Amino acid sequence: DIQMTQSPSSLSASVGDRVTITCRTSQNIANYLNWYQQKPGKAPRLLIYAASSLQTGVPSRFSGTGSGTDFTLTISSLQPEDFATYYCQQSYSTPQTFGLGTKVEVK
Amino acid sequence: QVQLQESGPGLVKPSETLSLTCTVSGDSMTNYYWSWIRQTPGKGLASIGYISSSGSTNYNPSLKSRVTISVDMSKNQFSLKLSSVTAADTAVYYCARVYRGYYFEVFDYWGQGTLVTVSS
Repeated sequence: DIQMTQSPSSLSASVGDRVTITCRTSQNIANYLNWYQQKPGKAPRLLIYAASSLQTGVPSRFSGTGSGTDFTLTISSLQPEDFATYYCQQSYSTPQTFGLGTKVEVK
Repeated sequence: QVQLQESGPGLVKPSETLSLTCTVSGDSMTNYYWSWIRQTPGKGLASIGYISSSGSTNYNPSLKSRVTISVDMSKNQFSLKLSSVTAADTAVYYCARVYRGYYFEVFDYWGQGTLVTVSS
């Protein structure tokens, strides 16, 4: 299985901050990397697919970059509704695997 | 708007079989893949497996010996059976649609999730 390493596991930030989350994979996955947001008690929501494509309806303050083994999710200006946990997921090979998540908390 | 809804027992005894059904509404199941994913506090999100609308399956090797996923197109449903469960199978179980693009694959629609506890 492809291992997914997210960092940090948690971070504290304020509204308006720029937030960056990284995801590293154990092997080259080209751009088969997706990002999800999850709020407590809810299912994950797709934000970014193919490393850098914004899912329909997702605000443009979210962006993704990277290819190969190193990827980044950036929130350009954190909004109150963005406090949540973020997961990366690879779809390069089965079984699809997820990172352990990054919890974005209020500073 | 595609909607998925999981249903099934919330409590299963050790060594028995966990059975869940996902009902899909708002779109045809044809030409998509349909997946089960589970989430635990310790191990996070894990793919269990998926099934195509024609019935071909792909299971996570770590669970393959215990998992069966099936589809009933006439009812717009797909199902999960996990046999010989232990406390380690206690999790929130999600069903999700797999969307395959030309150069990507995502879980684009998810059910709300259902907590299944394995306990006597």
